[in-house]
Amino acid sequence: DAGVIQSPRHEVTEMGQEVTLRCKPISGHDYLFWYRQTMMRGLELLIYFNNNVPIDDSGMPEDRFSAKMPNASFSTLKIQPSEPRDSAVYFCASSADGVKNIQYFGAGTRLSVL
Amino acid sequence: DAKTTQPPSMDCAEGRAANLPCNHSTISGNEYVYWYRQIHSQGPQYIIHGLKNNETNEMASLIITEDRKSSTLILPHATLRDTAVYYCIVKAPNFGNEKLTFGTGTRLTIIP
Repeated sequence: DAGVIQSPRHEVTEMGQEVTLRCKPISGHDYLFWYRQTMMRGLELLIYFNNNVPIDDSGMPEDRFSAKMPNASFSTLKIQPSEPRDSAVYFCASSADGVKNIQYFGAGTRLSVL
Repeated sequence: DAKTTQPPSMDCAEGRAANLPCNHSTISGNEYVYWYRQIHSQGPQYIIHGLKNNETNEMASLIITEDRKSSTLILPHATLRDTAVYYCIVKAPNFGNEKLTFGTGTRLTIIP
């Protein structure tokens, strides 16, 4: 398997623009996680899904952020409108068995909002 | 989930064993100890986990004290590619609560 695939790897956009980050989990994994990493706050969980259903979105910073998982092989994290403080590295991870808490991370998307 | 305490940074000479400590004095009986690492510009990578017995895999060994209040991750022959931030996470396998909380970890630098 190719692992968790995220796109794009880098995104530069202007304040106010819509940004969509994409993730393809490992085939057969039934949990999908979105994290954000900044120097100030470290690695934070934003939201996670189980069998395509959002389970916990308490980490989503505000209504400008939304995440969807229309099927088992694809998820999006959308920011609309984007702000400079959203600049961060966004990671997607998937897990085959949430009980074991062994998550496999993608390479991340580095977002810069100017 | 129990709180963990790790030293902020450590150095280790290349080829030597790197021993990374983690304190988790409030760990509960059903909580596991997980170790992840994050190499610069990459996503975190799972290394190993254990409940109370020592564990070993192709990457590392995990030694958990008998009282389970602390553990040590051992990289037996450190290489430059092991330079990374290492995270110790304590978590119970609760269905419906799959959140992993990454602290600040230990920044391990392997010195040539």
